[in-house]
Amino acid sequence: GESVGLHLPTLSVQEGDNSIINCAYSNSASDYFIWYKQESGKGPQFIIDIRSNMDKRQGQRVTVLLNKTVKHLSLQIAATQPGDSAVYFCAENPNTGFQKLVFGTGTRLLVSP
Amino acid sequence: ETGVTQSPTHLIKTRGQQVTLRCSSQSGHNTVSWYQQALGQGPQFIFQYYREEENGRGNFPPRFSGLQFPNYSSELNVNALELDDSALYLCASSPGWGEADTQYFGPGTRLTVL
Repeated sequence: GESVGLHLPTLSVQEGDNSIINCAYSNSASDYFIWYKQESGKGPQFIIDIRSNMDKRQGQRVTVLLNKTVKHLSLQIAATQPGDSAVYFCAENPNTGFQKLVFGTGTRLLVSP
Repeated sequence: ETGVTQSPTHLIKTRGQQVTLRCSSQSGHNTVSWYQQALGQGPQFIFQYYREEENGRGNFPPRFSGLQFPNYSSELNVNALELDDSALYLCASSPGWGEADTQYFGPGTRLTVL
C-alpha cells in the first residue's frame, strides 16, 4: 500500500544546531516530494519541494536531499531556531495524474534555547 | 499566510448528522483538494476539484462529497456522520492542475462528532 514513513517521531535540538529530519517513502513511481511544516492549530505550511530528476535542492536555511535508490528523503535545517519548532511532514505524489499527496505521520522538532 | 481561508474554525455534530465545511482559495487557483487529518496523523487525501469538477479521489466513501464554485470557493459535505469522522479537515489550493504544482493549505476546520 501507499505509505510515507518517518524514522524519528521526535527530534530535540539546541538552538543554532543543524537539524536533519528523515523520511522513507514506499512508492517508487512517486516523482514529486514536498516537506511541510505544521505548527499547532495551523494548516501545513510549504517549506520546499523536489522532483525525482533532482537529488538535492536548497532553499533559505533548508536543504532537501532525495535518494531514489533507497527511497529516502531528508530535510536539513541550518542554524535551527526556536521558531522552527513544529511537526514536519514529508509527502509524496505517487504519480496518480492528479494532485494527491501521501503524507507520513510527521516528526516533531523541538528546539530549545 | 497562504491566502486560503476555511470556515468554521470548529464544529460539533452528532452521529448521523450532515455537515458542510467551506474553503476560500487564493484568487486564480483553479484546483482545490480536501484532506482529513486525524489527531497525531498526517493528512489523508479525500478528493480534488479542478474547474468545478471532481478529477481525483482517495479512499473515502461516497458520503464525502464536494462542490467547487467559479468564485474560488468550495465545500466539503459529509453525510451520515460517524464518530471516526472527527478530525481536522484541510483544504489546499493550487494555481495549476499538475502533480507538481504546490498546494497551499488553509488553517483547517476541527470537526468533532459525538
